[in-house]
Amino acid sequence: NAGVMQNPRHLVRRRGQEARLRCSPMKGHSHVYWYRQLPEEGLKFMVYLQKENIIDESGMPKERFSAEFPKEGPSILRIQQVVRGDSAAYFCASSHKGTGQETQYFGPGTRLLVL
Amino acid sequence: SQQGEEDPQALSIQEGENATMNCSYKTSINNLQWYRQNSGRGLVHLILIRSNEREKHSGRLRVTLDTSKKSSSLLITASRAADTASYFCATTSPPGNTGKLIFGQGTTLQVKP
Repeated sequence: NAGVMQNPRHLVRRRGQEARLRCSPMKGHSHVYWYRQLPEEGLKFMVYLQKENIIDESGMPKERFSAEFPKEGPSILRIQQVVRGDSAAYFCASSHKGTGQETQYFGPGTRLLVL
Repeated sequence: SQQGEEDPQALSIQEGENATMNCSYKTSINNLQWYRQNSGRGLVHLILIRSNEREKHSGRLRVTLDTSKKSSSLLITASRAADTASYFCATTSPPGNTGKLIFGQGTTLQVKP
């Protein structure tokens, strides 16, 4: 039973390019959360999605960032026109029910470096 | 803003000693979870304690929760070099029950062989 999968594991982009980060939740999980971890800091919530719906995007920057979780395929976190401040580790987590009463399982993360 | 504040920020002990990390939070919670992160890696879930529980054990781990003080502690007994990692507490809070986790800044633990 595969865990949460993320790809790519490492991504290098130049300023102004687009970054696409993918997350496949654990089998049977339909709730996905994205978090960002800046160097030497804890994780900060970005967005919570169910299949085809954004439930809570209170942690998403207002511009350049978007997320989706289509009916088929992985969840995508998209960053347009990246800037150096976007350099961070991006983690997704999945859960069976989005109730806050259960464990979230994390993927290995995507480390984004913006040159 | 971050919910959890962890103490100490860094801890260095000898193998075999016990390590205690503390976490405080500000608002009411549904539950509190502890995660471990090895350098440059993802998060590994350690233990979840619900708001109506006071203590929980898992192997060498013991977690306590004091909702009156809005604090939790993680005790690792008989530490090993392999326990070297960063440890984070995270909470979920009502209302809404969306399940998003609010993380503390973490405690970096170094266990010297």
